[in-house]
Amino acid sequence: GAGVSQSPSNKVTEKGKDVELRCDPISGHTALYWYRQSLGQGLEFLIYFQGNSAPDKSGLPSDRFSAERTGGSVSTLTIQRTQQEDSAVYLCASSLSGSSGNTIYFGEGSWLTVV
Amino acid sequence: AQSVTQLDSHVSVSEGTPVLLRCNYSSSYSPSLFWYVQHPNKGLQLLLKYTSAATLVKGINGFEAEFKKSETSFHLTKPSAHMSDAAEYFCVVSEVGGSYIPTFGRGTSLIVHP
Repeated sequence: GAGVSQSPSNKVTEKGKDVELRCDPISGHTALYWYRQSLGQGLEFLIYFQGNSAPDKSGLPSDRFSAERTGGSVSTLTIQRTQQEDSAVYLCASSLSGSSGNTIYFGEGSWLTVV
Repeated sequence: AQSVTQLDSHVSVSEGTPVLLRCNYSSSYSPSLFWYVQHPNKGLQLLLKYTSAATLVKGINGFEAEFKKSETSFHLTKPSAHMSDAAEYFCVVSEVGGSYIPTFGRGTSLIVHP
């Protein structure tokens, strides 16, 4: 497809389990972002990838969270030892480059529920 | 540093009446500003953006916003609300020459009554 693709769309996991969330950005987009949106809240920045540069991880809330981007394309966000407070929608977005004027295109999100 | 404040968490209007969603920003550099809309259980969609060209920006679905540097504002307006406009709206700032990580406001929920 032409848009940002995320999977799974919904994930229910038990507390303490690890989860992986996948993002396939728009082809040719070098910038990729992960955000988290908790119920009724705004968007919380998690991590930013730009080309081959080292990612900006300044938004990751704890060392249980990590992300990688392979081949400058697909990205995986991993949450280890999930906690109930990790329940949220995880949104991936991409843009043509990291320039501030570029439009950021969002996927439909991965809804994570930790029980 | 950059920040954005959406002044209303909820706005309620009647169908056919004007819409005003308020946004103020702070930026150490020249800002790019965006409005996104999020319908229930959907991803975010770009409504419009300002990137230092015309200060009055027209977007999709009849929305527009005006960049006012003196007031550090970027309010979103629409002359006549439709039921389909009911959604969450996010104001976003990104700095030219600063951080490339956009900062989102907390969102304004637009409620449209018949």
